[in-house]
Amino acid sequence: EIVLTQSPGTLSLSPGERATLSCRASQSVSSYLAWYQQKPGQAPRLLIYGASSRATGIPDRFSGSGSATDFTLTISRLEPEDFAVYYCQQYGSSSCTFGQGTKVEIK
Amino acid sequence: EVQLLESGGGLVQPGGSLRLSCAASGFTFRSYAMSWVRQAPGKGLEWVSAISPSGSSTYYADSVKGRFTVSRDNSKSTLYLQMSSLGAEDTAIYSCAKGRPFDSWGQGTLVTVSS
Repeated sequence: EIVLTQSPGTLSLSPGERATLSCRASQSVSSYLAWYQQKPGQAPRLLIYGASSRATGIPDRFSGSGSATDFTLTISRLEPEDFAVYYCQQYGSSSCTFGQGTKVEIK
Repeated sequence: EVQLLESGGGLVQPGGSLRLSCAASGFTFRSYAMSWVRQAPGKGLEWVSAISPSGSSTYYADSVKGRFTVSRDNSKSTLYLQMSSLGAEDTAIYSCAKGRPFDSWGQGTLVTVSS
């Protein structure tokens, strides 16, 4: 099973700041890496797929990068609605796995 | 508009069984792989199972292999998850998700395993 490790666990930032979230895979997932945003009481929302492609309707302040085992989600300028939990997911193997999540909270 | 509506959750005793359903609409169901994902209270996302568009291939997390069975009825645009030998560790909100990666999700149905 491919294990995804996200860091940091919690990120405390102010609106307007830049957020950088990391996801590391225990083995290569090529570019089969997605990022999701989840707010309390809501279903997750797909942000990024293929490591760097934005999903439909996702603002361009969200960007993804990386390949193989090291990936990054960057939010260029945090908006109030961006404070949430973010999960990475690998879908390159027959079984998918999620990272444990990074909470982006208001400082 | 894509809609995924789960049902079948509830309270079940340890060792019991339950079948979940996910009714899909707004897209060509038979063309997409579908998955089940669960989230225990206050915890992260855990992928549970997936099924190919035709239903010929199924995949399971190690934590549920041998206990859960995923299936689909493309004529009814419905996804199923048959769960057996349930334990407290299976308590979670179970959601269905479309595609790979998951571009649409249902709101989920709560499964509580308790005596």
